[in-house]
Amino acid sequence: QKEVEQDPGPLSVPEGAIVSLNCTYSNSAFQYFMWYRQYSRKGPELLMYTYSSGNKEDGRFTAQVDKSSKYISLFIRDSQPSDSATYLCAMSQGGSNYKLTFGKGTLLTVNP
Amino acid sequence: DVKVTQSSRYLVKRTGEKVFLECVQDMDHENMFWYRQDPGLGLRLIYFSYDVKMKEKGDIPEGYSVSREKKERFSLILESASTNQTSMYLCASRGGWAGDSPLHFGNGTRLTVT
Repeated sequence: QKEVEQDPGPLSVPEGAIVSLNCTYSNSAFQYFMWYRQYSRKGPELLMYTYSSGNKEDGRFTAQVDKSSKYISLFIRDSQPSDSATYLCAMSQGGSNYKLTFGKGTLLTVNP
Repeated sequence: DVKVTQSSRYLVKRTGEKVFLECVQDMDHENMFWYRQDPGLGLRLIYFSYDVKMKEKGDIPEGYSVSREKKERFSLILESASTNQTSMYLCASRGGWAGDSPLHFGNGTRLTVT
């Protein structure tokens, strides 16, 4: 079983739709969870950052972590064409462990 | 604002050449990383440096070496480039440990080895 699994898509939605992006993981030691957004021909940029279980909201974006199910989600409300990008989940154990484990990314296209 | 700069956006090299990829960060970060990104394989860590002259192997270090002579600069070296090293290379930096602060990425160098 891979440490982090992410559906690669592609996912295509109309403008204004609610988008749900998901990752599952197998390592119960993960405590820090991130979502990165990567536009074409650019490096990934941090979008959301959460610690342990729960929800975090930032504008149209909500990150959700369910550690009991080893499942994380990113919701995008009122999606815009500018949200078209690849979304990567990432997670780490924290502490002195430097390693960040990434999902392979989901390609999202929001059609006007 | 955080800035990680990779010296080249695109590079084309021949098989067997020695290739240098340069990365500079302006945040005084201790930790710097080199990843490669390939379709279907995602991001894979090549090398990591936690201080000047200090380095650790990542998941796929074979065929690569690194150099960190100054805190702000981290170089990836392909000793003898091969076609299977054609990829997007991403440099990143971070101020603290994995749980405390996120990675900041450069915009990548797309390397083609012919």
